[in-house]
Amino acid sequence: NAGVTQTPKFQVLKTGQSMTLQCAQDMNHNSMYWYRQDPGMGLRLIYYSASEGTTDKGEVPNGYNVSRLNKREFSLRLESAAPSQTSVYFCASSDADGPNQPQHFGDGTRLSIL
Amino acid sequence: QKEVEQNSGPLSVPEGAIASLNCTYSDRGSQSFFWYRQYSGKSPELIMFIYSNGDKEDGRFTAQLNKASQYVSLLIRDSQPSDSATYLCAVSRAGDYKLSFGAGTTVTVRA
Repeated sequence: NAGVTQTPKFQVLKTGQSMTLQCAQDMNHNSMYWYRQDPGMGLRLIYYSASEGTTDKGEVPNGYNVSRLNKREFSLRLESAAPSQTSVYFCASSDADGPNQPQHFGDGTRLSIL
Repeated sequence: QKEVEQNSGPLSVPEGAIASLNCTYSDRGSQSFFWYRQYSGKSPELIMFIYSNGDKEDGRFTAQLNKASQYVSLLIRDSQPSDSATYLCAVSRAGDYKLSFGAGTTVTVRA
């Protein structure tokens, strides 16, 4: 049971390049989330998908787009990377029915933008 | 005022002692409270969650919630060197899918 799987684990981009971070979960969870973590700032929510077919903005959505491809997969896209987007990105999923559920995290993607 | 506040630490405790971590939150509509442990370079790992006022115990960990005073705490009994990590407090409002995280408290357990 892999849980939440993120790819790639590491990536270096140049300013202006685009890329998509992939996330897949095998726990049959309805809700999925994308966070970024920066030193001293904790985890900040970028986007989330409460259920398949829906996506909503979190605290820091600017510069990102997401796609809930199916129940298992939730991708995060940087259209034109900026140095301020250098961060560690975590995908998470949570159980079924409704809000206020614990979230389970993937191993993260460490992204550097030069 | 930050939505969720934690002392950044580091909190240094001797092996075998009790580590006490505190977290305060600003939104009185908060309903669910979570503690995560994060080792350096790793992802957050859920330790405990608590929804009701009072104490909830799981092994060496106890979460304490006081909604009137708007704080939640985590006690780690019989601290071990393997407990050395950053502990993140997270809070969600009633009916909300989103979690708001504190910046974390770093705990060091010295042998």
